[in-house]
Amino acid sequence: NAGVIQTPRHKVTGKGQEATLWCEPISGHSAVFWYRQTIVQGLEFLTYFRNQAPIDDSGMPKERFSAQMPNQSHSTLKIQSTQPQDSAVYLCASSSGLGYAEQFFGPGTRLTVL
Amino acid sequence: GQQVQQSPASLVLQEGENAELQCNFSSTATRLQWFYQRPGGSLVSLLSNPSGTKHTGRLTSTTVTKERRGSLHISSSQITDSGTYLCAMGNPSSFSKLVFGQGTSLSVVP
Repeated sequence: NAGVIQTPRHKVTGKGQEATLWCEPISGHSAVFWYRQTIVQGLEFLTYFRNQAPIDDSGMPKERFSAQMPNQSHSTLKIQSTQPQDSAVYLCASSSGLGYAEQFFGPGTRLTVL
Repeated sequence: GQQVQQSPASLVLQEGENAELQCNFSSTATRLQWFYQRPGGSLVSLLSNPSGTKHTGRLTSTTVTKERRGSLHISSSQITDSGTYLCAMGNPSSFSKLVFGQGTSLSVVP
């Protein structure tokens, strides 16, 4: 079991450019979650999918951020017109929903917007 | 909104001492999941339980849902236990977002 895979591990963009982050959940897990982590705000929930359907996007900034899950093996988080305040570590987690619905996290993508 | 408060914010132990990390949360419909993170490292899931006590190795997680509190006990601390411990709350039995505390930074010294 390779765990949750996230690519790229590091991404540097210029202000106003687009960034696409990729996540491959653990095989067989039906839920995928996106979070972001900053020193100031800590860990914040962004959005999640269950069986590829968007369920809760209450943490997503209303503009510029979007997430998709086109198939059960990957999800993407896209940030348009990136701003310096978008700099953070973006974390993806997956869960099988069995037992206590424990979430398992990937290594994260560190996004730096210059 | 839902909130999670962790204490202490930081803790220094001598190797071999025990640690007790606290987590208070705002909802009674909660399970707690404890994570460990090294600086610049991934979140590693330690324990997850809705209520009662759960053990793994030198770690014991206790959740008292009615009192909206939980704790993580680390026995016989080792230098390699140093890092940040995060408490997160979520729905007890189904998929839901996790709400995280700010973490407890643990340093274990010789």
